[in-house]
Amino acid sequence: SAVISQKPSRDICQRGTSLTIQCQVDSQVTMMFWYRQQPGQSLTLIATANQGSEATYESGFVIDKFPISRPNLTFSTLTVSNMSPEDSSIYLCSVDVGDTEAFFGQGTRLTVV
Amino acid sequence: GENVEQHPSTLSVQEGDSAVIKCTYSDSASNYFPWYKQELGKGPQLIIDIRSNVGEKKDQRIAVTLNKTAKHFSLHITETQPEDSAVYFCAAPPNRDSNYQLIWGAGTKLIIKP
Repeated sequence: SAVISQKPSRDICQRGTSLTIQCQVDSQVTMMFWYRQQPGQSLTLIATANQGSEATYESGFVIDKFPISRPNLTFSTLTVSNMSPEDSSIYLCSVDVGDTEAFFGQGTRLTVV
Repeated sequence: GENVEQHPSTLSVQEGDSAVIKCTYSDSASNYFPWYKQELGKGPQLIIDIRSNVGEKKDQRIAVTLNKTAKHFSLHITETQPEDSAVYFCAAPPNRDSNYQLIWGAGTKLIIKP
C-alpha cells in the first residue's frame, strides 16, 4: 500500500495568482499522476510525472499553466498558474503500487475568487 | 482506445436495500476492473476489483460481477448502510502505449435514505 500526504487540503486564492500543491508518498514510486476533478465530475488526468524527466501532459493541459516538479521518487508538486475562476476544482495526486491499485491523496479543494 | 461508461449517475436506495451500479467497456483485451469509492473530502479508494479469469468476486456486502462477452461489469452492494453513501467509480486499464493510469467511469452518486 501507499500513504499519500497532499497539501494544502483546501485554499481560496485570488485570480491571477498561483498555487503550488505538494504530494508526498511514504514509499518510492516510479510514476505519479495529477488529476483534476470538477464538482460532480469524474477524474481528468492532467499529467504523468516521472522522476528525472519532464512531465507528460494530456490534451488540454500545458506546462505553462500547470508546471510540475518531480525532484525524487517520493515527492511531486503541481502548480496552478495565473488562476481564474475556471480553475476552481479538486486536484488529486495518485500513485500506483504494483501493477494495479491506485492510491490517492485526499485532494486539494481550490476556489479561485 | 478504451472507453468506460457508467450508469446510473445517481442512485438513491432505502437503507437495507441493495444497490447495483453498471459499467461497460470497449476494449475486449482489458483484463482488470476495479471499483473505487470516494467519500466527501477524500480521494478515491479501491473497494473491490476483479480480473477477467473470474466471473464474480465477493467481499462481505460488496460483490463485483463480470460479463466478458457483453463487456460489462457491475458493483453490487447488499444491505446498504448510511456509510455506503459516496461516489463510486468504475475503471479499466488503458491501452499499453497510454500514459493513463486507469480509464475512469463518470461516477455514480449513491444516496442511502434512512
